[in-house]
Amino acid sequence: DSGVTQTPKHLITATGQRVTLRCSPRSGDLSVYWYQQSLDQGLQFLIHYYNGEERAKGNILERFSAQQFPDLHSELNLSSLELGDSALYFCASSVGGGLDNSPLHFGNGTRLTVT
Amino acid sequence: AQSVTQLDSHVSVSEGTPVLLRCNYSSSYSPSLFWYVQHPNKGLQLLLKYTSAATLVKGINGFEAEFKKSETSFHLTKPSAHMSDAAEYFCVVSDHDGGSNYKLTFGKGTLLTVNP
Repeated sequence: DSGVTQTPKHLITATGQRVTLRCSPRSGDLSVYWYQQSLDQGLQFLIHYYNGEERAKGNILERFSAQQFPDLHSELNLSSLELGDSALYFCASSVGGGLDNSPLHFGNGTRLTVT
Repeated sequence: AQSVTQLDSHVSVSEGTPVLLRCNYSSSYSPSLFWYVQHPNKGLQLLLKYTSAATLVKGINGFEAEFKKSETSFHLTKPSAHMSDAAEYFCVVSDHDGGSNYKLTFGKGTLLTVNP
């Protein structure tokens, strides 16, 4: 068990809808990372937060947004959903803020299916 | 810019035989390198990490990897495969993004199948 909790495990929704994915990092970790994993694109980095502040952005669409709250949990909001957004979304946490090269600890993911 | 190439998308071995998963990287600086494993319906788990200390790195579950700068390689090996090793393996390079942050780049993964 990595100590990273993601909810829900599965999500099925329709095109055009909006969903929120939630992540609780491992105790003591200040960084939260979001990744999208699909068969055709592989593992894609979306965004990184450190102690409540955005630290780095990857291939995140404008329809997607995220935040990290004072208790360090994070939410990824996906809106105007399209079929192509169907994927496994992972949250990972680490102790450092991207400066110390500490390894990532991954949750088990949220599988999003857009119909 | 950094990149990672996992040379095989799928490797199939028999139980008890050696495992070799190949990874080549490119980096502008002195990178750190990782191998992660992903079992079905699970998140990625760190196997091992290289950060400029010993070039032969030992990880969990009997895996090890050797950093070869001259060949820009970081291949993952295990002397004897076990059925429980069947999973997808990701090679990851971590390097400065030109600023103060480290940037991670994931390979596309190698699916390891272990036959009885």
